[in-house]
Amino acid sequence: AQSVAQPEDQVNVAEGNPLTVKCTYSVSGNPYLFWYVQYPNRGLQFLLKYITGDNLVKGSYGFEAEFNKSQTSFHLKKPSALVSDSALYFCAVREVSGNTGKLIFGQGTTLQVKP
Amino acid sequence: KAGVTQTPRYLIKTRGQQVTLSCSPISGHRSVSWYQQTPGQGLQFLFEYFSETQRNKGNFPGRFSGRQFSNSRSEMNVSTLELGDSALYLCASSLSGIIYNEQFFGPGTRLTVL
Repeated sequence: AQSVAQPEDQVNVAEGNPLTVKCTYSVSGNPYLFWYVQYPNRGLQFLLKYITGDNLVKGSYGFEAEFNKSQTSFHLKKPSALVSDSALYFCAVREVSGNTGKLIFGQGTTLQVKP
Repeated sequence: KAGVTQTPRYLIKTRGQQVTLSCSPISGHRSVSWYQQTPGQGLQFLFEYFSETQRNKGNFPGRFSGRQFSNSRSEMNVSTLELGDSALYLCASSLSGIIYNEQFFGPGTRLTVL
């Protein structure tokens, strides 16, 4: 079965510093990986996805993610954090069933960016 | 384009009642998925509909059901509500639901069961 793990419940970083939110996955077959962000009382917003190709994926709001097949990781990164980046971040993997499939989410990581 | 809309945004019900939640996908999107979000269990997949057919189903009891209409709008129904059904219910739409399409989420319906 496919699974996703986000090993950190919370990540604290100072504004202007680089940030990393970690994600590891377990899949049989090719991984289809996604990052979403959730602000309080809001739904999830899509940030980026990895389907195939370049290991460095660029997404919305200056975020990027690095796919590492040997380490089965898909860490979310940003070179310079903003206070407004403070939110709940979810990594997800697509559980493939034919050519469709549900999203399986990690437990989420709260990012706290302090001024 | 307008985003995914969900109605109502908030609901309070009592145990034993039933509830219907509604979701309107982004225009042109034909796949609608539903997720339940709780502090304890996180985000869990309920079901997915495409062209009025349920294509995938999560591990939830039969009290949870859904449907999709010809205009791609979707509803989910929970019968005989239990306290544990209190959650944020999220609807997500995508163009066709195939594996590399991202899903776009609505703001959710917050259901409280008393």
